[in-house]
Amino acid sequence: DAGITQSPRYKITETGRQVTLMCHQTWSHSYMFWYRQDLGHGLRLIYYSAAADITDKGEVPDGYVVSRSKTENFPLTLESATRSQTSVYFCASREGYSNQPQHFGDGTRLSIL
Amino acid sequence: QKEVEQNSGPLSVPEGAIASLNCTYSDRGSQSFFWYRQYSGKSPELIMFIYSNGDKEDGRFTAQLNKASQYVSLLIRDSQPSDSATYLCAVDQGAQKLVFGQGTRLTINP
Repeated sequence: DAGITQSPRYKITETGRQVTLMCHQTWSHSYMFWYRQDLGHGLRLIYYSAAADITDKGEVPDGYVVSRSKTENFPLTLESATRSQTSVYFCASREGYSNQPQHFGDGTRLSIL
Repeated sequence: QKEVEQNSGPLSVPEGAIASLNCTYSDRGSQSFFWYRQYSGKSPELIMFIYSNGDKEDGRFTAQLNKASQYVSLLIRDSQPSDSATYLCAVDQGAQKLVFGQGTRLTINP
């Protein structure tokens, strides 16, 4: 039972570069989420998706792009990375019912120099 | 802005005692409440969820919900050093999203 996996686990890149963080889940959950976690801000929602080809903005979407062509994958792209996007990124998924808990991947630690 | 507030701690509790973690929320329409545990450098892990007023027990953990007071708490009985972690309270915001508190850092002292 692989659950939800994120890759890479660690990434160092430079400002202005494009970087894509991958998220894959094997539960066939309809909902998927991207969060960033920073000291002093806790977990903040970047984007979420209710199903394939349906995505919506969260609290901090600027500078990020998402897509969801398949139910199991939800990549997050930083089109032109900035230092302020240095953070730990978590992907999560959930069944379709709104009262169900979200389950998190192991996270990607992203450093932008 | 719909908010979830937690005391950031650190909360220090002796081993074997009861740890009490508290959370308040601002959205009266919230229906689902979750507690996650996060060890340093790891991802959040679901501990419990509660939907109805009152208490819900699971092993050493008890979640308590009071919707009238907009208050949810987590009690950890017989605290162990392995319970030392940051505990995140999460509340549904409607629109299929959760709002997380900033977490309470708990330390269990042997």
